[in-house]
Amino acid sequence: AQSVTQLGSHVSVSEGALVLLRCNYSSSVPPYLFWYVQYPNQGLQLLLKYTSAATLVKGINGFEAEFKKSETSFHLTKPSAHMSDAAEYFCAVSAGWTGNQFYFGTGTSLTVIP
Amino acid sequence: DSGVTQTPKHLITATGQRVTLRCSPRSGDLSVYWYQQSLDQGLQFLIQYYNGEERAKGNILERFSAQQFPDLHSELNLSSLELGDSALYFCASSPFSTGNTEAFFGQGTRLTVV
Repeated sequence: AQSVTQLGSHVSVSEGALVLLRCNYSSSVPPYLFWYVQYPNQGLQLLLKYTSAATLVKGINGFEAEFKKSETSFHLTKPSAHMSDAAEYFCAVSAGWTGNQFYFGTGTSLTVIP
Repeated sequence: DSGVTQTPKHLITATGQRVTLRCSPRSGDLSVYWYQQSLDQGLQFLIQYYNGEERAKGNILERFSAQQFPDLHSELNLSSLELGDSALYFCASSPFSTGNTEAFFGQGTRLTVV
């Protein structure tokens, strides 16, 4: 079975500060991992994905994430937060056996303080 | 714009009623997923169809059913509605049914049961 745990349902950072959103996964098979962002009243938009190629994955809007198998983690980072980064962020895992249903974490709400 | 279209955007209905939510996937995508997002349950995977056939089933209630038509659009039918069914329902699509491809989400249908 696959699952992800997002540590911290709310994270606040100052504008220009480092953003770190944590995600740990559990998977009985090599996982595919994703980060999605949801802005208010909108659907989910893919930020980046890990599919067993490079362990450091770069995404849109300056975000990146590193897959660490030994720590079963896939934390999302951005060196310098912008006001426009304020949103809900979801980590997801997919096993891709009979289907690639995504199992999402509970989400982390990011607030950027001016 | 993800290319996934969901209608209607908002739906208000009474308990005990039945509603149908519609999803048009991105052009060329064969796989359609349905998710329910609520404050207490987060993002829950309901069901996946691939090229007209059910591929995976998640936490979908027996009162709910879905289908994917030959033109690849999908409908989610919710019956005997209860107050607790109020949620945001997302449709997503992807080209294949393998786990290394991301899903593209629609804007969602907000269902309110009164």
